[in-house]
Formats: sequence, structure tokens, C-alpha cells
Amino acid sequence: QQQVKQSPQSLIVQKGGIPIINCAYENTAFDYFPWYQQFPGKGPALLIAIRPDVSEKKEGRFTISFNKSAKQFSLHIMDSQPGDSATYFCAASSGAGSYQLTFGKGTKLSVIP
Amino acid sequence: KAGVTQTPRYLIKTRGQQVTLSCSPISGHRSVSWYQQTPGQGLQFLFEYFSETQRNKGNFPGRFSGRQFSNSRSEMNVSTLELGDSALYLCASSSRDYGYTFGSGTRLTVV
Repeated sequence: QQQVKQSPQSLIVQKGGIPIINCAYENTAFDYFPWYQQFPGKGPALLIAIRPDVSEKKEGRFTISFNKSAKQFSLHIMDSQPGDSATYFCAASSGAGSYQLTFGKGTKLSVIP
Repeated sequence: KAGVTQTPRYLIKTRGQQVTLSCSPISGHRSVSWYQQTPGQGLQFLFEYFSETQRNKGNFPGRFSGRQFSNSRSEMNVSTLELGDSALYLCASSSRDYGYTFGSGTRLTVV
């Protein structure tokens, strides 16, 4: 199975809150899990990525938590700001001679002042 | 360093026509991939090229094709356009460490 399931579809938080977006995958061959941020009219931009050998990775206000046994990973945005309002996509890749990414359906995040 | 450049940004075509989209990757990136983005289906993989060879292909009909040139620039072509082909077509180039950089896309509208 190549599917990556993402939830929730949309999320509204107040400024300073910690939105959490969750993803689950089925293919155990996946070995690279990036998160992308997309603003209207722009292409997705890589935020942060993790590999299965670590359980957590932080970059600035963004943290990925990874649970290999549950085949789940999540994005946490600390101290969220209105400028973080965007659509977020999780993705997964198995390498294996290709960089093909399988994307989740996306989460539209709105951070209200 | 310049990012991924896609041209044109917007395109309106009539059903039955064909269209060619262009992508210039980041200098030094040898892998170029194409994705289709629609509100209903999200981001779907079309194909990937590496050093002028198609390395992988998504589940799209044969009307969708692509190629990569020796300078890594890539084009994708859609023939016999259908209304359902209306979408944002995204090109991404990547280096060895899996990092994908997307362009801003070409918005194709089929009428």
C-alpha cells in the first residue's frame, strides 16, 4: 500500500497555540518522512523531515514526532503565529532508486490573532 | 541560488488540445519530478526523471508524458486535454539527500 493518511483536514488555533497534525502510513518500506508547507499560489516548501531511526526532530518552532511501531508521525508547531496559516502536507518516500513522494491530503491551518 | 522555475505560470486550453509545460531545476540537481495537484485528489505523482531517463511513473494515462534534457531541464506534455486535467502542475528538483524543492507551478485550465 502506498497511502499516507493525514488528519485533521482543517485546524483553527489561536496565536500561541500548538497545532498538531497527524499522519499514518502503511508501507513499511518508507524511510523518509518530510513535511511541506504551502501558501496560496506557491508550490510546497520543505519544512522539516525525519528518518525512522529517530523518534523526534526539532527545527525552530517545528517538531516531528515519529512512532515507527505505530507507523505514525506528527507535526507540532510551537507558539503558532498568524503567518503559519497555510496548508501542511505530510509525505513519505521509500528511496529504492526513486525520490517519489506519496503525500497526505493536506491540513489547512488557520492561526487567529 | 535560483530556485525551480516553471513556465508558463498560467495556461488556458480547450478540450482536445495538447499542452507542454517547462521546468528548469536548481543548478546541479539531476532529478526532476512532476506532480499534479487538485482539490479533490491532492498531490499526485506523475513521473520522475534522472539524467534524462524516466526512473518512475505514476498512475496516469499515456496522454501524460515527459522528458528531460541533458541540461536537466524537463518538459511534460499532455495530449488530448480533458476537463479533468485542469490542475496545478508542480515540478520539483532534488539532490541526493531526498530534499525536494518545488517550483510555483503551472496552473492549467481546460475549457
